[in-house]
Parts: sequence; structure tokens; C-alpha cells
Amino acid sequence: ETGVTQTPRHLVMGMTNKKSLKCEQHLGHNAMYWYKQSAKKPLELMFVYSLEERVENNSVPSRFSPECPNSSHLFLHLHTLQPEDSALYLCASSQELDRPLTNEKLFFGSGTQLSVL
Amino acid sequence: AQSVTQLDSQVPVFEEAPVELRCNYSSSVSVYLFWYVQYPNQGLQLLLKYLSGSTLVKGINGFEAEFNKSQTSFHLRKPSVHISDTAEYFCAVRSPRFITQGGSEKLVFGKGTKLTVNP
Repeated sequence: ETGVTQTPRHLVMGMTNKKSLKCEQHLGHNAMYWYKQSAKKPLELMFVYSLEERVENNSVPSRFSPECPNSSHLFLHLHTLQPEDSALYLCASSQELDRPLTNEKLFFGSGTQLSVL
Repeated sequence: AQSVTQLDSQVPVFEEAPVELRCNYSSSVSVYLFWYVQYPNQGLQLLLKYLSGSTLVKGINGFEAEFNKSQTSFHLRKPSVHISDTAEYFCAVRSPRFITQGGSEKLVFGKGTKLTVNP
């Protein structure tokens, strides 16, 4: 148990649906991340939040909309997705950004396995 | 831009045998290097990281990795594996520059190597 909880574990949705992925951490971390893990492809960083402010968006399509209402919660709102968006979506947190990496590491959740039909 | 190549997508070994998982990277600048492990149905966990200093890095669960700058490699090794080491292993790199220095928090991952330890 890493302290980062993601719900739901599995999600099946149609291309016209709207759904949301939830991530929660009670580690006292200030930075949270969304990663996408597709089959046979490397993990891809999608978004980075620090103190509830988005600090990185790695060219993610607008059909993915993140939200960070507080430092413990991170959402990924999904709308009109495509079948190629099917993947494992991983949330991660770290204590802070911009700290010496000797004291820093990412804590990952178990992910939400998303299937878009 | 940085990239990571994990040369073997699958590595089967027998229990108590040694194993080496290979990782090569390319970057025009210095990098920080990481190995993560993903057990079935779980998220990623950090195994070890190289930031600076000694090129031989020891991590959790008896794993170690050696940074070789001339060969741009960061291979992961374990002298004797257990069934419980069966998992997928990911090598990753990132820039040492933080966001406020014009860098990125972005970890660039390899495609992963599935290690299967057989009895």
C-alpha cells in the first residue's frame, strides 16, 4: 500500500460518455501527477499539479480535463474519448516539486484500467 | 530530448539464477536515472535511482544498478532472483533541472521488461 488510492479500479465507457477518475493521497504531499500506461508503450506523463496549480501539461488532448481541488485529491475528467485512449491511468504523488531528488520519490497508485468502446 | 531503450521485452529465468535487465538512454545533457517495478495489478514502486556520485547504486529487494556514462547504460542486476521478483521493470530518466529552472518534472520511461522467475 503506497498511500495513493485510485478509484475506480476498472472503467468501461462509450465514446459519448462522461466519466471521472479519482485519486486520493493522505501522505501530506503537495505534488500530484497523472500518467498514462498503454500496452506496449512507455509510460507517458500527462499532467503535473503542485499546490493545486497545474504546472505541466504534456500536450494532452482536451478530452482529458484534470482537476485538483485540494492537495489530497486529483481528478481526471473524461469526455468523448476514443478507443485508443484505452489504457491504465496511474496517479502519483510526491512531497514537493523542486526539492533535491535525494529526498524525493514518486508514490504511485494502482491505477484505473480504462476501456473505451 | 531524452529517450530510454529497454532491449528485452521479456526475460525468463529460473529461481536463484542471476539476472540483468538492460537499459540504455540517450540525452544531450546529464540525466537522473531510475528503475521502477510494477507487480501485477499494482502501481509502480521505486527500486533505485542514480543522481550523482558512486556509479553503483543499491536499491530495495537486493537489486543494484550501475551507471555507465560512456555506454549510456544503467543496467539492473540481482545475483539471485526469487519467484516474488516476477514483475515488470521500467527504466526511466529525467532532466536534473527543475521546473523553476526551465526544466521538467517529466520522467521518460522505457517500454518495460517483464521478468518471469520460474521454479
